[in-house]
Amino acid sequence: QQQVKQSPQSLIVQKGGISIINCAYENTAFDYFPWYQQFPGKGPALLIAIRPDVSEKKEGRFTISFNKSAKQFSLHIMDSQPGDSATYFCAATLPYNTDKLIFGTGTRLQVFP
Amino acid sequence: EPEVTQTPSHQVTQMGQEVILRCVPISNHLYFYWYRQILGQKVEFLVSFYNNEISEKSEIFDDQFSVERPDGSNFTLKIRSTKLEDSAMYFCASSDTRQGAKTQYFGPGTRLLVL
Repeated sequence: QQQVKQSPQSLIVQKGGISIINCAYENTAFDYFPWYQQFPGKGPALLIAIRPDVSEKKEGRFTISFNKSAKQFSLHIMDSQPGDSATYFCAATLPYNTDKLIFGTGTRLQVFP
Repeated sequence: EPEVTQTPSHQVTQMGQEVILRCVPISNHLYFYWYRQILGQKVEFLVSFYNNEISEKSEIFDDQFSVERPDGSNFTLKIRSTKLEDSAMYFCASSDTRQGAKTQYFGPGTRLLVL
């Protein structure tokens, strides 16, 4: 119930292409869905986040699409660059308690020139 | 830009020994967290801390673990008697959830290796 399922596990994209990472959840009580980017040896860093009352959020080349009825959300990276090569985690939080992050399993993205 | 800092960056210890991992959260933040990431796996919640007490803990956070905010700036995670399976990257995070911000800022992590 408190899991977030993420796919694919790894993704290889050419420079300039679109990277798409998908997540799905079961618990409809989740109220906040952030995406974190992690470079090797570093901590996760917040990339972009969305609440379930919005279907899409865009920040620069990064877009979250949110489908509340399907309980799915996805990250789209437009014009992917080699510097985007990192591991991406989707996550979710509940509106009560402590806002602990429940992470997906991660997607390792490699962007080749 | 303010950031979460953690020390040490690496810690090697013998099984059964006690370790203390230290974190300095962002100064005006009110909520503090520890997460861990076993190599190649997802980040897992351990514990959250607010108003000088644990507000939530996961099943991983058993009696061998404790957290403390000994002063106004540090936040520590203690593992009393380390096990081999405690080897992981430990991340501290902090947030200011006023106005529904919910953004958690992570430190660079401490890589713990238990031999």
